[in-house]
Amino acid sequence: GNSVTQMEGPVTLSEEAFLTINCTYTATGYPSLFWYVQYPGEGLQLLLKATKADDKGSNKGFEATYRKETTSFHLEKGSVQVSDSAVYFCAPFYGQNFVFGPGTRLSVLP
Amino acid sequence: DTGVSQDPRHKITKRGQNVTFRCDPISEHNRLYWYRQTLGQGPEFLTYFQNEAQLEKSRLLSDRFSAERPKGSFSTLEIQRTEQGDSAMYLCASSLVALAGANEQFFGPGTRLTVL
Repeated sequence: GNSVTQMEGPVTLSEEAFLTINCTYTATGYPSLFWYVQYPGEGLQLLLKATKADDKGSNKGFEATYRKETTSFHLEKGSVQVSDSAVYFCAPFYGQNFVFGPGTRLSVLP
Repeated sequence: DTGVSQDPRHKITKRGQNVTFRCDPISEHNRLYWYRQTLGQGPEFLTYFQNEAQLEKSRLLSDRFSAERPKGSFSTLEIQRTEQGDSAMYLCASSLVALAGANEQFFGPGTRLTVL
């Protein structure tokens, strides 16, 4: 079946460090690709998305590029802040619903 | 607040009891989804509705689970004869789908179920 593999956490970084969270998906069909974020005590919210190959999604300084050749959608940010501490979920959209990755917990230390 | 709301936020029950959760989606959204999330995992799809029609059910949704959306607005998820393995966060999400394809889903805060 459809699946997604996501970098295991937790990831601990110092403020202003560079962040990469890897995500790869199974290449069944041509899914749209999403990153959702869950801040402590809050519900999931959309961070960014890309709907076709080579599209780049971006929001709040985060970016991810839809790489069809490597079936990847890695999340990056050049300089993380303490407020970025959260759990990040990679989520391909297959058919009519999402397949969520297990989540990567990010802790950013001041 | 016009976001997705869920009630209750927490539910503790004894094994074998029935529980019912409610989800109120964003008012103009025609799709409503239920997910289950266990600790350290991502949400797992359970079922979804388009308006009042239940269009897909995951094999995770055993016959003890039933979901309804009778008027195409709020939805309920009932679990009968709860088991300890049902302990999880139950998430509801809604979206507005006008054309085919992926649309952003807006999530509620979830209902945390603990089965003793």
